[in-house]
Amino acid sequence: DTAVSQTPKYLVTQMGNDKSIKCEQNLGHDTMYWYKQDSKKFLKIMFSYNNKELIINETVPNRFSPKSPDKAHLNLHINSLELGDSAVYFCASSHLQGGTEAFFGQGTRLTVV
Amino acid sequence: AQSVTQLGSHVSVSEGALVLLRCNYSSSVPPYLFWYVQYPNQGLQLLLKYTTGATLVKGINGFEAEFKKSETSFHLTKPSAHMSDAAEYFCAVTLTGGGNKLTFGTGTQLKVEL
Repeated sequence: DTAVSQTPKYLVTQMGNDKSIKCEQNLGHDTMYWYKQDSKKFLKIMFSYNNKELIINETVPNRFSPKSPDKAHLNLHINSLELGDSAVYFCASSHLQGGTEAFFGQGTRLTVV
Repeated sequence: AQSVTQLGSHVSVSEGALVLLRCNYSSSVPPYLFWYVQYPNQGLQLLLKYTTGATLVKGINGFEAEFKKSETSFHLTKPSAHMSDAAEYFCAVTLTGGGNKLTFGTGTQLKVEL
């Protein structure tokens, strides 16, 4: 049973389109995250939600809008896609307490053409 | 603010040789330190972590790391490399009260040669 699952795994779309990535965790964690991995494999946090409330919002363009309908789900919607949005997006979950392990999804490779 | 520096973006070792991947951190408060591994087209998997207590921590697949506060380091080692260890390795840090936000190093690609 997959702990953190995200869909789709691959997403190819044209500039200007709007797309969503979905994430679900079945670990009972209270905190979920979106991380972005660029072409040089650098990983950076984008957002974090704790019990459906936004707690971390890094300097991300407001074209990116996370939504957490419940604490087991965190979706990422991206408007007006740009070439520079091409990356691998990882969803993760953990307990909020520092030092606890974060579990990652398999990633969504977004390619904007 | 915290940061992590991984020295060496690419490390190559022979099968059976010692693996040493370097990680230094910067933090104004006691950090929690992690090593994650990423296999091609996969998500990240935790190898090991340091929170408190014993400074030498053992992880999965024979890896271990030692927290050295005086050197602000958390280097990853494995006595004998195996072909299956070839992957990208990330050192990361979180802080108390930081929402468990992971700040990653730039990663080290480990290549294992016959």
